[in-house]
Amino acid sequence: DTGVSQNPRHKITKRGQNVTFRCDPISEHNRLYWYRQTLGQGPEFLTYFQNEAQLEKSRLLSDRFSAERPKGSFSTLEIQRTEQGDSAMYLCASSLTRDNSPLHFGNGTRLTVT
Amino acid sequence: GEDVEQSLFLSVREGDSSVINCTYTDSSSTYLYWYKQEPGAGLQLLTYIFSNMDMKQDQRLTVLLNKKDKHLSLRIADTQTGDSAIYFCAESPRVYGGSQGNLIFGKGTKLSVKP
Repeated sequence: DTGVSQNPRHKITKRGQNVTFRCDPISEHNRLYWYRQTLGQGPEFLTYFQNEAQLEKSRLLSDRFSAERPKGSFSTLEIQRTEQGDSAMYLCASSLTRDNSPLHFGNGTRLTVT
Repeated sequence: GEDVEQSLFLSVREGDSSVINCTYTDSSSTYLYWYKQEPGAGLQLLTYIFSNMDMKQDQRLTVLLNKKDKHLSLRIADTQTGDSAIYFCAESPRVYGGSQGNLIFGKGTKLSVKP
């Protein structure tokens, strides 16, 4: 079990640029989640996939954000025209489908928008 | 609305017990979770409890659930310096006809363990 892997670990970008993050879930997990965590706060849900289908999106996910999971394995989260308020830790998690299956988190990608 | 509240800080001496408290609002939550986060890292699942249970024990960890008061606690026995971290409580409200799409987290309790 290699756990949930996220790349890159850190990303510094200038305001207005686009960024893309990748998440590789635990291989047998068919649910994949994206969360955002700002300093001093708990993680906030952004979106989740079951296999390749995006089943839920938070109202935090503005139209500048898009997530994909084309083959039901890894996922990407893209932020277009980044703003300073996008600076945060972006966490990916995965789980099995059954309801009591807990979420397993990766170490996150820390985004800094200058 | 959905909200999870925790005290922000707790300081204990090594060897003492730590008790971290949490209140939640959504009575439909069927599972409640405790996660641990060390600096610069993601969240590590510590334990979880099904809502029809009152208590769950796992080695040094004891979870107590008072469903009537919507109160959850995590007790760490014989706290060690390696237990210093931020501890998050999370609930899993039912959405969209029963799918568990997301967890609602508290802001976390920073546990400091002094030698």
